[in-house]
Amino acid sequence: GAGVSQSPSNKVTEKGKDVELRCDPISGHTALYWYRQRLGQGLEFLIYFQGNSAPDKSGLPSDRFSAERTGESVSTLTIQRTQQEDSAVYLCASSPTRYEQYFGPGTRLTVT
Amino acid sequence: AQRVTQPEKLLSVFKGAPVELKCNYSYSGSPELFWYVQYSRQRLQLLLRHISRESIKGFTADLNKGETSFHLKKPFAQEEDSAMYYCALLVDDKIIFGKGTRLHILP
Repeated sequence: GAGVSQSPSNKVTEKGKDVELRCDPISGHTALYWYRQRLGQGLEFLIYFQGNSAPDKSGLPSDRFSAERTGESVSTLTIQRTQQEDSAVYLCASSPTRYEQYFGPGTRLTVT
Repeated sequence: AQRVTQPEKLLSVFKGAPVELKCNYSYSGSPELFWYVQYSRQRLQLLLRHISRESIKGFTADLNKGETSFHLKKPFAQEEDSAMYYCALLVDDKIIFGKGTRLHILP
């Protein structure tokens, strides 16, 4: 079947605008993760959804960042009032177990 | 605090030479560690995990609890090994990644 998909693949936005990034996980994967990868940096954990449990939001860098997930399907990551430091590749991953994550291709966000 | 450290941002190795990508971790519990790889224009993918004690594409990694290390090794580098490698630690059902090491295999 299809892997994890993300849209859009690229997004250029003006500083101060809101953006919404989408992730479609692999069907049946109960866990979903969002990461941020800034240029030259590693993967920075943002948020983790597991089934119907309350999400682990401990990695969200500020209250401008939020994410939702509908059941065990699509997730959206919203960044409000974007800043230039938000420019990065945003990666989504889904997982059937805690031992392996399947990554999407990422959304490259550029804030001008 | 839980942490994964990859001290080398870039490692250049000649084809046929041995490869060792360093990874050190900080974790108070019993660690579960992974190596992920990202080839050019491909998605990040799992390379191997220490609980499986497997060898993938000739790579192995041994957990050394005394040195809190999980270095990735391959005896003879191949050009197709050029990629970005990330060491990762499982903490409370989420995975913490190191900053990655870019491996460049020289012809």
